[in-house]
Amino acid sequence: KAGVTQTPRYLIKTRGQQVTLSCSPISGHRSVSWYQQTPGQGLQFLFEYFSETQRNKGNFPGRFSGRQFSNSRSEMNVSTLELGDSALYLCASSWQGSGELFFGEGSRLTVL
Amino acid sequence: AQTVTQSQPEMSVQEAETVTLSCTYDTSESDYYLFWYKQPPSRQMILVIRQEAYKQQNATENRFSVNFQKAAKSFSLKISDSQLGDAAMYFCAYRSGGFNKFYFGSGTKLNVKP
Repeated sequence: KAGVTQTPRYLIKTRGQQVTLSCSPISGHRSVSWYQQTPGQGLQFLFEYFSETQRNKGNFPGRFSGRQFSNSRSEMNVSTLELGDSALYLCASSWQGSGELFFGEGSRLTVL
Repeated sequence: AQTVTQSQPEMSVQEAETVTLSCTYDTSESDYYLFWYKQPPSRQMILVIRQEAYKQQNATENRFSVNFQKAAKSFSLKISDSQLGDAAMYFCAYRSGGFNKFYFGSGTKLNVKP
């Protein structure tokens, strides 16, 4: 079974731009969560989608948004990028009921 | 909000020895799950072990075991017969029973010396 796939793996943007990250969950998993990982703040929950609906949301500004498609693939978007948005963005999928998260390798975003 | 605390930013262990990583959490909920995740350098995070709060028996996965003290809100990870491949960041995580939202500790970097 293929794991969680995130694209792109690395990207560099400049302040003010926007970025879209993609995540394909494990087949059969309907829940997709996004986390931001930084050295200073650690792992912070962004949001979770389940069956195309945002079910949980973390404490991030509205510049951070996401969506999920009918095939469970998910995208997250960050608009008006700031230097502080530089981070590793992790996507994780789960089959509701197991409680376990399966992570992708992450998308490393650098904002210059 | 729930908080997860890992008080050891970095630890070292000799190969084949045993090491224990500490984790405490704060919650008023009775239904929750606890996890230890491993993140090797530049590699994806993988689950090491999980514990359901309602289970009194401590979880064990091969060389990895936990000491779950519910009243003390403590959840430590013991790694026996440490191997070079165990070197990684280890994150303790908490999940509410009703929500698929995880709270992570700040992590412990484990170094394994040959």
